[in-house]
Amino acid sequence: QQPVQSPQAVILREGEDAVINCSSSKALYSVHWYRQKHGEAPVFLMILLKGGEQKGHDKISASFNEKKQQSSLYLTASQLSYSGTYFCGTVPLEYGNKLVFGAGTILRVKS
Amino acid sequence: DSGVTQTPKHLITATGQRVTLRCSPRSGDLSVYWYQQSLDQGLQFLIQYYNGEERAKGNILERFSAQQFPDLHSELNLSSLELGDSALYFCASSVGGQGQTEAFFGQGTRLTVV
Repeated sequence: QQPVQSPQAVILREGEDAVINCSSSKALYSVHWYRQKHGEAPVFLMILLKGGEQKGHDKISASFNEKKQQSSLYLTASQLSYSGTYFCGTVPLEYGNKLVFGAGTILRVKS
Repeated sequence: DSGVTQTPKHLITATGQRVTLRCSPRSGDLSVYWYQQSLDQGLQFLIQYYNGEERAKGNILERFSAQQFPDLHSELNLSSLELGDSALYFCASSVGGQGQTEAFFGQGTRLTVV
């Protein structure tokens, strides 16, 4: 049930863009995106609900393809503060209470 | 500060012992999730409670148990501890219990089993 994230890691220079992908084998009710810095708690970024409703930050956006059970997180004009591990979490339609996370994508932004 | 409080922050204990981790959710949140994160690993879903009732279970070991009390705080009990149980344990809370609202994470309890 664990969603699959790609890439596993990415290195960027400040100002560059990145895309992180998340896919599930299950029909999904929602997709959640979080960022975790080393030694800290995961911080909420974005939630995407079945039906197209979207919330989140202004410099970070995301898409949710319900038919393909895929989501992508778009980071534009990356900043040093974007560095961290990004996790997508999925809630399947079948088990509406399980928020299960992928293995994470390590993002490092260099100056 | 997410508003989710976990105690203690650090815990060192010996193999075979039992410990209790505590989580106080944000005011108004009815749902509590527990996760285990081993060194540089992902977030493994353990269990979820909503308004006092167990709603979902992950790969939680039989040696582990949890409950959510009427005041909505939750406790995760880990018994017969093994070295491999050393990890960061997070709880998260959300308003809804169906995955339709964001979850906010506490700072975690770092458990070290020696």
